[in-house]
Amino acid sequence: GIQVEQSPPDLILQEGANSTLRCNFSDSVNNLQWFHQNPWGQLINLFYIPSGTKQNGRLSATTVATERYSLLYISSSQTTDSGVYFCAVKFQAGTALIFGKGTTLSVSS
Amino acid sequence: EAGVAQSPRYKIIEKRQSVAFWCNPISGHATLYWYQQILGQGPKLLIQFQNNGVVDDSQLPKDRFSAERLKGVDSTLKIQPAKLEDSAVYLCASSLGSGVLETQYFGPGTRLLVL
Repeated sequence: GIQVEQSPPDLILQEGANSTLRCNFSDSVNNLQWFHQNPWGQLINLFYIPSGTKQNGRLSATTVATERYSLLYISSSQTTDSGVYFCAVKFQAGTALIFGKGTTLSVSS
Repeated sequence: EAGVAQSPRYKIIEKRQSVAFWCNPISGHATLYWYQQILGQGPKLLIQFQNNGVVDDSQLPKDRFSAERLKGVDSTLKIQPAKLEDSAVYLCASSLGSGVLETQYFGPGTRLLVL
């Protein structure tokens, strides 16, 4: 079946550090989203990025569709960045998102 | 714009009891999804609706789970009877359509604990 793999599974940072999260997927995608799940369980949309690069403040994302991976960059991390980051992909119209297992980020002050 | 609403936020029941969850999608969103998220895993689709019709329910345990979306707006997900392994967060999401470029928006989820 279709595979979405995220790495690393866990990441511990000091406040102010930078980090890169990776998402590999096993087939061509037409839709890729990054989400942040906060400690209360709410999934928050970060990026819709099936290809190319986008930036939003301290966060940026790059998807190289031809090589089947996406990267999420977090710069100058803050304690509020803690939580689980999910990559989710959609391979064809009419289907739902398929999620990876997530990367759990803990940022300490 | 109001987001996806879900209730209740938390529910504790004993095994073999029944439970129901409610979801109100973003206004105008034709596609509605129910996901199950077990602790330590990513969300997995249970059922997808397009308006009031079912698009995909292949992962829904139909012997105990049921869902409906009457009038193509609100939706309810029911579990009867519940098992211990149903303990999870149940997430509702919606999107304007089901096209490949659509962005899904998630509600806050319902945390279910089955004792």
